Amino acid sequence: GENVEQHPSTLSVQEGDSAVIKCTYSDSASNYFPWYKQELGKRPQLIIDIRSNVGEKKDQRIAVTLNKTAKHFSLHITETQPEDSAVYFCAASKNNQGGKLIFGQGTELSVKP
Amino acid sequence: DTAVSQTPKYLVTQMGNDKSIKCEQNLGHDTMYWYKQDSKKFLKIMFSYNNKELIINETVPNRFSPKSPDKAHLNLHINSLELGDSAVYFCASSQDVRALHFGNGTRLTVT
Repeated sequence: GENVEQHPSTLSVQEGDSAVIKCTYSDSASNYFPWYKQELGKRPQLIIDIRSNVGEKKDQRIAVTLNKTAKHFSLHITETQPEDSAVYFCAASKNNQGGKLIFGQGTELSVKP
Repeated sequence: DTAVSQTPKYLVTQMGNDKSIKCEQNLGHDTMYWYKQDSKKFLKIMFSYNNKELIINETVPNRFSPKSPDKAHLNLHINSLELGDSAVYFCASSQDVRALHFGNGTRLTVT
């Protein structure tokens, strides 16, 4: 089955710096790659997603890139702010799995003011 | 106007007891899920229902029994609770292969 590896497990940056989180997946049939942000004690919330027919997607300070050949995708956060501090999860799924998302292990991002 | 609501928010119980968690979504989605988040924050799917039909069962002990009376509700019943069942349980819903909408979670503590 699908396996999603996420790195790093923890990331500390200064406010204003960029943060990059990387994920690799094993199943070449996966075609949907969302990213979730989970603040302490709260539920995971979708922040951006990308499908396999697109190489890059941006939404303000957040961007995601996808390399299907290498089977990896990345989250880029620019001009980080303290409120970006949270655990970020990547995930992957494919059409015939009933929407089942396989999550990476999570990255705890800390943005220091 | 909460999209996915689950109750209770906290559940503290003793080993061997039976407990239930309820979930409801008002998004009109066809698919609902239960995910377990352990102490290391890892999110793992347990079950998925599509229009009241079980479509995913991820090798979960049969002490866990999901029930979906209609496509807007997916409840989770757990028999003979064990210490290792302590975790946060998230209900979620989605439409086709799209983003999951999570509930606020139920923190289960087994003592």
